[in-house]
Amino acid sequence: EAGVTQSPTHLIKTRGQQATLRCSPISGHTSVYWYQQALGLGLQFLLWYDEGEERNRGNFPPRFSGRQFPNYSSELNVNALELEDSALYLCASSLLAGQGRGYTFGSGTRLTVV
Amino acid sequence: GQSLEQPSEVTAVEGAIVQINCTYQTSGFYGLSWYQQHDGGAPTFLSYNALDGLEETGRFSSFLSRSDSYGYLLLQELQMKDSASYFCAVAQAGTALIFGKGTTLSVSS
Repeated sequence: EAGVTQSPTHLIKTRGQQATLRCSPISGHTSVYWYQQALGLGLQFLLWYDEGEERNRGNFPPRFSGRQFPNYSSELNVNALELEDSALYLCASSLLAGQGRGYTFGSGTRLTVV
Repeated sequence: GQSLEQPSEVTAVEGAIVQINCTYQTSGFYGLSWYQQHDGGAPTFLSYNALDGLEETGRFSSFLSRSDSYGYLLLQELQMKDSASYFCAVAQAGTALIFGKGTTLSVSS
C-alpha cells in the first residue's frame, strides 16, 4: 500500500510569488491535514479537509488556502510568499476524521522563499 | 486556546530509560498522541492514550492522567536509532491534532 505522497520534494520561490504543494493520501483515507514545520516551532496546524470540505483551519492568514479534490488528494496554495514562509510543509491523512489518532504523514515539501 | 509543554532536549546513553513529559491545556480533550520524527523525515505515529493509564508497545510506553492534564512517553533499552524528535499532540473535538514543539532526544554510546 502506497503511503502519503507529497510533491514536489523541494520548492524554491521568490518573495511575492505563489507556491502550490500537492498531497495524495493513503487509499481510503478521506481526511487530509496540512502542517507547517518551521525551525524550532514544531508542527503548526494549517488546514484540515474531509470529504472535499474545509473542516478547520489554524491560526494562519488567508493567503494560505487549499482544496481537496474528489479523489481526496489535496493541494495547498500559499500566495504572496514571505521569507518566513520558508519551512517544511507536511501533509497527513487519516481514516477516522477528526479523531486525532493514527495520522500517516508524508515526507513533506521543503519550501524555500528567497 | 490550547497549549502543550514538553522539554526541548533530553540526552541519555544506550541501554538507559528516558521519560519525556507533556503537559497540556485544552478543551474538548479526546486523547494524547505521540509521534517520532527523525531528522528531516516524516513524523511517525507511536501511541495514543484516550483513557488514564499506561499503554505499552514494545520498548515504548505511554501514560496519561486526564485529571492532571499530563502524559509521558517512556523509552526503555535506548538504542542509537532512537535519537530523534518526539512530539506529543492533543486530539480534541472538531479540529486536527495540535502538536507540542517537540523534544530532541540524543542517545550516545
